[in-house]
Amino acid sequence: GAVVSQHPSWVICKSGTSVKIECRSLDFQATTMFWYRQFPKQSLMLMATSNEGSKATYEQGVEKDKFLINHASLTLSTLTVTSAHPEDSSFYICSAPSRRGNTEAFFGQGTRLTVV
Amino acid sequence: AQSVTQPDIHITVSEGASLELRCNYSYGATPYLFWYVQSPGQGLQLLLKYFSGDTLVQGIKGFEAEFKRSQSSFNLRKPSVHWSDAAEYFCAVGAMGNYGNKLVFGAGTILRVKS
Repeated sequence: GAVVSQHPSWVICKSGTSVKIECRSLDFQATTMFWYRQFPKQSLMLMATSNEGSKATYEQGVEKDKFLINHASLTLSTLTVTSAHPEDSSFYICSAPSRRGNTEAFFGQGTRLTVV
Repeated sequence: AQSVTQPDIHITVSEGASLELRCNYSYGATPYLFWYVQSPGQGLQLLLKYFSGDTLVQGIKGFEAEFKRSQSSFNLRKPSVHWSDAAEYFCAVGAMGNYGNKLVFGAGTILRVKS
């Protein structure tokens, strides 16, 4: 089946630095990818929709200058957390809809970000 | 706007016992419904999904779910729970927007299995 690969699976960074998370669709093309954030013991919240060849669409309350999204190709979307702070520590997960009528989403393994 | 409610934050069942996890949704049209499972520190694995047709859906690992439109529910069931089923379970509704299926998730239910 379709696979979405996310890298890295975990990262620890210092406050003020930037971190890039990659999301790749391995055996299918994804013109759209979704980025979610999961706080400890909470559900997943959609942050933004990444669109190949155009700007990302951010959900209300998500800072677009802080969470930079680039959909460089039909198989790669990246999320860069800029000037990270401890409150950005979270679990970030990407997903891509399947090709068949966009009726199923495949999820990456997730990235655990810890900002110290 | 669509929303999903999972009323049970935690559930504990004995190994071998039956399981039902509740999910209620709010959506204006016919929903696309999903159940995902997440093990600690892991991503999400799709258990099953409902789009149309038979309202009783079979999934992986022996799980099934029943779509009841009149109750706006999509409860997940398993006749006999195994210790390996301990995880967090998320119900989600697919919102078919311009960019495919954005998912709206419930808060999740943590399943504990006691031996």
